[in-house]
Amino acid sequence: DQQVKQNSPSLSVQEGRISILNCDYTNSMFDYFLWYKKYPAEGPTFLISISSIKDKNEDGRFTVFLNKSAKHLSLHIVPSQPGDSAVYFCAASAFGTASKLTFGTGTRLQVTL
Amino acid sequence: DTGVSQDPRHKITKRGQNVTFRCDPISEHNRLYWYRQTLGQGPEFLTYFQNEAQLEKSRLLSDRFSAERPKGSFSTLEIQRTEQGDSAMYLCASTPPPRGKYTFGSGTRLTVV
Repeated sequence: DQQVKQNSPSLSVQEGRISILNCDYTNSMFDYFLWYKKYPAEGPTFLISISSIKDKNEDGRFTVFLNKSAKHLSLHIVPSQPGDSAVYFCAASAFGTASKLTFGTGTRLQVTL
Repeated sequence: DTGVSQDPRHKITKRGQNVTFRCDPISEHNRLYWYRQTLGQGPEFLTYFQNEAQLEKSRLLSDRFSAERPKGSFSTLEIQRTEQGDSAMYLCASTPPPRGKYTFGSGTRLTVV
């Protein structure tokens, strides 16, 4: 039962262009969503989050959009840089679950020159 | 702040042997989590501690797995009678509030041969 889905295993984008990574969820109890970035041989690092009371959150080049009715969120990276090449995980948690996260399967982003 | 440390980084063991991993969280973080990540998947929740109390265990955590966090400081995860299906990356994370903004360690990669 995959409650958080990232249907694109990989994405290739040219440097300077926009990267859009997508995530869908099925559990309507999820109310807090996060994106993590992972380089090989390292643990995931927190990137950006959004609460279900918002539909957008920005932090520098990173913006997360949440569409609750569609149970869909997306991460936009503008402009994309070669250092953004990594695996990106979408994660979700439900109120009252002590920050336990349910992760998607990840999308590998490659930013090309 | 030295981050979350995990030891060892890699462990190769023969099937049937016992292994123990250690995690040293960020000292002021009272919550500590263990996750497991297999190839092509996102991290999956195993268990979490608030201070020294283990408050939740996933059904993924069979009776061959045990975790401790004595005195609310470092934590250990032991796997008894290892099986090939235990081969994975074991990730430790710690956090204070707010929700979900974990600091992950670099993980312990276990290979059971």
